[in-house]
Amino acid sequence: SAVISQKPSRDICQRGTSLTIQCQVDSQVTMMFWYRQQPGQSLTLIATANQGSEATYESGFVIDKFPISRPNLTFSTLTVSNMSPEDSSIYLCSARTRDPDSYGYTFGSGTRLTVV
Amino acid sequence: GDSVTQMEGPVTLSEEACLTINCTYTATGYPSLFWYVQYPGEGLQLLLKATKADDKGSNKGFEATYRKETTSFHLEKGSVQVSDSAVYFCALSDLGQGAQKLVFGQGTRLTINP
Repeated sequence: SAVISQKPSRDICQRGTSLTIQCQVDSQVTMMFWYRQQPGQSLTLIATANQGSEATYESGFVIDKFPISRPNLTFSTLTVSNMSPEDSSIYLCSARTRDPDSYGYTFGSGTRLTVV
Repeated sequence: GDSVTQMEGPVTLSEEACLTINCTYTATGYPSLFWYVQYPGEGLQLLLKATKADDKGSNKGFEATYRKETTSFHLEKGSVQVSDSAVYFCALSDLGQGAQKLVFGQGTRLTINP
């Protein structure tokens, strides 16, 4: 089945700095998704990233805070900018693949971010 | 918009007990329904799925039936094990409306005691 490599797996960052999270898929995919999972909460979609076009952000998320790149069909990055302690969460990327075992949705293992 | 409501947790059971985690949904179209599991320190894994009414998804002893009349997709297992301790998420994808994204419920933390 499709595999997404996500890194870093965890990081502790100072407030005011930025962190870029990378996701690499082992097959070409059209759509990639970035989710946030705040402590004890469910997954909330941040944005959908299509190759060759601007990412589409969900209500409450803006490009200046969470810029996304999608340079090709196997890779995407999410940057968490000007971080504050409220950004402490797990960030997950996901991709829609043709893998029948996962019905097309594959997830990375997540990035656990702590902002101090 | 589409939404998923899950039974609130946490849920604590003894080994070999029966499990039911309730999940109901609201969708404009005709969604596909999923249960995902997140083991401690790991990412999300698909547990089971159903794509149309009356479909039953099953995996690792877990089952869930797509009930259109009650807009539900409850997760069940007849005899749980300590290794089932995890967080379980119900989710939907309303592909018929052109939405590729998954919408998740709030998650239910399950702890199984030996």
